[in-house]
Amino acid sequence: EVQLVQSGPEVKKPGESLKISCKGSGYSIANLWIAWVRQMPGRGLEWMGIFYPADSDTRYSPSFQGQVTISADKSLSTAYLQWSSLKASDTAIYYCARQALGISGDDYYAIDVWGQGTAVTVSS
Amino acid sequence: QYVLTQPPSVSGAPGQTVNITCTGNSSNIGAGYGVHWYQQFPGTAPKVLIYGNNIRPLGVPDRFSGSKSGASAFLAIAGLRAEDDADYHCQSFDSSLRSSVFGGGTKLTVL
Repeated sequence: EVQLVQSGPEVKKPGESLKISCKGSGYSIANLWIAWVRQMPGRGLEWMGIFYPADSDTRYSPSFQGQVTISADKSLSTAYLQWSSLKASDTAIYYCARQALGISGDDYYAIDVWGQGTAVTVSS
Repeated sequence: QYVLTQPPSVSGAPGQTVNITCTGNSSNIGAGYGVHWYQQFPGTAPKVLIYGNNIRPLGVPDRFSGSKSGASAFLAIAGLRAEDDADYHCQSFDSSLRSSVFGGGTKLTVL
């Protein structure tokens, strides 16, 4: 059974950098599409982007392109989400999740495995 | 702003049926892309409730059903129970954005 285990909560100041992680437990993530989803306080879910470690195929939502970097280390079975300069508006819970690519290669199936979420607080 | 539109809240008494609508456009739901529904309790990660418009994963009660018509999708919850009190999110794919997209979520209150 695939489980995704995320790193712990973070408290940062505006302008600082951050890299949070998502480790596959019991299964290598090398051949899984791993998505990242943001949930701001009291708000809905926002799809940020997705990464395929096997060939480093990376796809971002236009809303998050240039704002974050999604990556992975196949050997560690770990995916990452990073910021170079945090803003207060980045305060949210971030989920990693498994979301398979659709048959067409363009769309996606439903998310069937979620990490437990990483709370990121950015405050001066 | 969310690409898919959901009502912020719905409510119903135990035993009743409630419907949650997810409205998109010709670039997403209306283009034929599948709609998925998730249930989320406070402080926990979402869980898939319906995928591919109307398919229930193993373990999801048949009180939950999904359908689609045109550019809208619908989640129906029959025989409401207190434990259904949660947030519900719809998701699809948008060909203009080339991204998976969510609705803003609907808070279901069981009265």
